Amino acid sequence: DAKTTQPPSMDCAEGRAANLPCNHSTISGNEYVYWYRQIHSQGPQYIIHGLKNNETNEMASLIITEDRKSSTLILPHATLRDTAVYYCIRRGGTSYGKLTFGQGTILTVHP
Amino acid sequence: GEEVAQTPKHLVRGEGQKAKLYCAPIKGHSYVFWYQQVLKNEFKFLISFQNENVFDETGMPKERFSAKCLPNSPCSLEIQATKLEDSAVYFCASSFEGYSNQPQHFGDGTRLSIL
Repeated sequence: DAKTTQPPSMDCAEGRAANLPCNHSTISGNEYVYWYRQIHSQGPQYIIHGLKNNETNEMASLIITEDRKSSTLILPHATLRDTAVYYCIRRGGTSYGKLTFGQGTILTVHP
Repeated sequence: GEEVAQTPKHLVRGEGQKAKLYCAPIKGHSYVFWYQQVLKNEFKFLISFQNENVFDETGMPKERFSAKCLPNSPCSLEIQATKLEDSAVYFCASSFEGYSNQPQHFGDGTRLSIL
């Protein structure tokens, strides 16, 4: 299984940046790092993905270390609506189609 | 459409009955994926399709579960002779292509309750 390690939970104050870490020390060269989140009981929502370079979109930034063994998802100005479970997923290699979800990080944004 | 549409939102069946779930992928997406979420954070991949062809069925239970994606119809996931353990939320996702750099976009799921 393609494993990542995330803290089970994190807190963040509204308006501050939320930095969610992910360890993927055994990632191989052709595997992407994906981030999804699940708000309450909705379907997982795609946030961002990257291979080697840092990436930014309208939702978040993804910082990948040079050795690719870890990454950080940054929500620059967290709001209460960002409270969700955040999943860091490796995708590629021999299982390049499916997503393998781990336990994720429960991010709670408080006023 | 612009979103993955799953129907019904909720489905209740008695043990032993059949359950059929539907998924309309985003228009233009050729890959469809089915996942099962039993406990709050535990997802299990079931099956994927490239258009109407099975792409990967390694997660599909050998018995009772079947799935199809036919041209000009929503994809479907069918469970015969349902069991209590089939109670879960079933998510469908679609992507433009199946490559690792193409994100999957999810519907809001069908909550299946087996009584």
